[in-house]
Amino acid sequence: EVQLLESGGGLAQFGGSLRLSCAASGFIFSNYAMSWVRQAPGKGLEWVSSISGGSSTTYHADSVKGRFTISRDNSKNTLYLQMSSLRAEDSAIYYCAKVVVGARGFDYWGQGALVIVSS
Amino acid sequence: EIVMTQSPATLSVSPGERATLSCRASQSVSSNLAWYQQKPGQPPRRLMYDAATRATGIPARFSGSGSGTEFTLTISSLQSEDFAVYYCQQYNTWPSWTFGQGTKVEV
Repeated sequence: EVQLLESGGGLAQFGGSLRLSCAASGFIFSNYAMSWVRQAPGKGLEWVSSISGGSSTTYHADSVKGRFTISRDNSKNTLYLQMSSLRAEDSAIYYCAKVVVGARGFDYWGQGALVIVSS
Repeated sequence: EIVMTQSPATLSVSPGERATLSCRASQSVSSNLAWYQQKPGQPPRRLMYDAATRATGIPARFSGSGSGTEFTLTISSLQSEDFAVYYCQQYNTWPSWTFGQGTKVEV
C-alpha cells in the first residue's frame, strides 16, 4: 500500500525558514517523480515543486522560485521541501504527491503538513 | 500558463440526481486532464485521468469526457459520500500543471 507521510510543518516567522519532509513507502521511490502541492486555507490547489526520480531535475513554480528547494534522498525514501524567505502567502497545507509514470498527474497524496507564516 | 476554469463554483443537487461539472482550459491540453475529489480535512483523491479513464476503485457512476479545451465530469446518481469539492487538473505541460478553482457539490 502506497503511503506518503509529511512532517515538519508548523509556525514560522515571516522571512524565516522551514523544512518539510515526506516519508514514502509501498512503492519503489526512486522510480517516480514527486511533487509538492499546496492549498491555502479555504482555497484551491497550487503546484509548488517537482523533482525527477533520480534527482537530476527539479522544477519550481514562479511564486516560490529562488526561495524553495525540492530535494530527495532515495536511500531514505524521503522527499524534502526547504522553504526560506517565507511570506504570509506561503501559509497553506503542503501535500506531497506521487507523480504517475509518464507525468500523467498525481495518483497518491499525503495527508498534508500545515505551514503558518506569522509576523 | 494554462488557466483552468471550472463551472459552476457551487452545484446544489439532491441525492440520486445527476451532477454535471465543467472544466475549460485556456488552450488545448489534448486529453491530459485529471479530476480529483476532496472532502473536508482530507487530501485530494484521483477520480479520473486521461479525461475519461476512471482511477482504480472509482465507482462507475463517475464518468469523464472531453478533449482539447472542454471537459465534463458527470456523476450519474449522487450518493451521500459524493458531496465534496471537485478539481480538474491539466498535465499537458510538465511540470507546470495547473488546477481549476474547484466546484463544490452540495445538498
